[in-house]
Amino acid sequence: DVKVTQSSRYLVKRTGEKVFLECVQDMDHENMFWYRQDPGLGLRLIYFSYDVKMKEKGDIPEGYSVSREKKERFSLILESASTNQTSMYLCASDLRHSNQPQHFGDGTRLSIL
Amino acid sequence: AQSVTQLDSQVPVFEEAPVELRCNYSSSVSVYLFWYVQYPNQGLQLLLKYLSGSTLVKGINGFEAEFNKSQTSFHLRKPSVHISDTAEYFCAVKNTDKLIFGTGTRLQVFP
Repeated sequence: DVKVTQSSRYLVKRTGEKVFLECVQDMDHENMFWYRQDPGLGLRLIYFSYDVKMKEKGDIPEGYSVSREKKERFSLILESASTNQTSMYLCASDLRHSNQPQHFGDGTRLSIL
Repeated sequence: AQSVTQLDSQVPVFEEAPVELRCNYSSSVSVYLFWYVQYPNQGLQLLLKYLSGSTLVKGINGFEAEFNKSQTSFHLRKPSVHISDTAEYFCAVKNTDKLIFGTGTRLQVFP
């Protein structure tokens, strides 16, 4: 069965810290995505990657960076965490140039204090 | 740019009643549409998808949706809801490699 795994379900960090969120998929998908989810705003795309070492900015990339060193792993990095980055973060993956749905992980609820 | 509108942010309903969650999308030459469900503190799970063919699509948990090209709609329906259907529901359209999401509808089922 398809599996997207996010390393943490809940995470609490302090402002100014560098934060890493990890995501691993076991489906050999080319595309991987990072979203943040906030009440009333739905899901907003932060970054996506369509191949190893390739990335594209989504709708809200400011304050974030990403890393894709291996096909199965996509990391989201908060260089200097701020309180307005407190949110639910969701990772997803799918096949490139496909009409098939994206598969999602269980999410990481991140709190920045 | 593609967009998806879910007009109802919340839908309260009694158990065993029918429900419709509305979704409209901006038109496009070819369109792939999805409904996802999110239970509390979980990720998104695919309910159903429309890729082509029959406009009535059946999904998991007794849900179905109808693709209406002339009205650019993809409303989600269930004839009789259960308490366990309480969740947030997201409509999405696929545009090249990206999914465009609506803002979600919270379905709350009361006993």
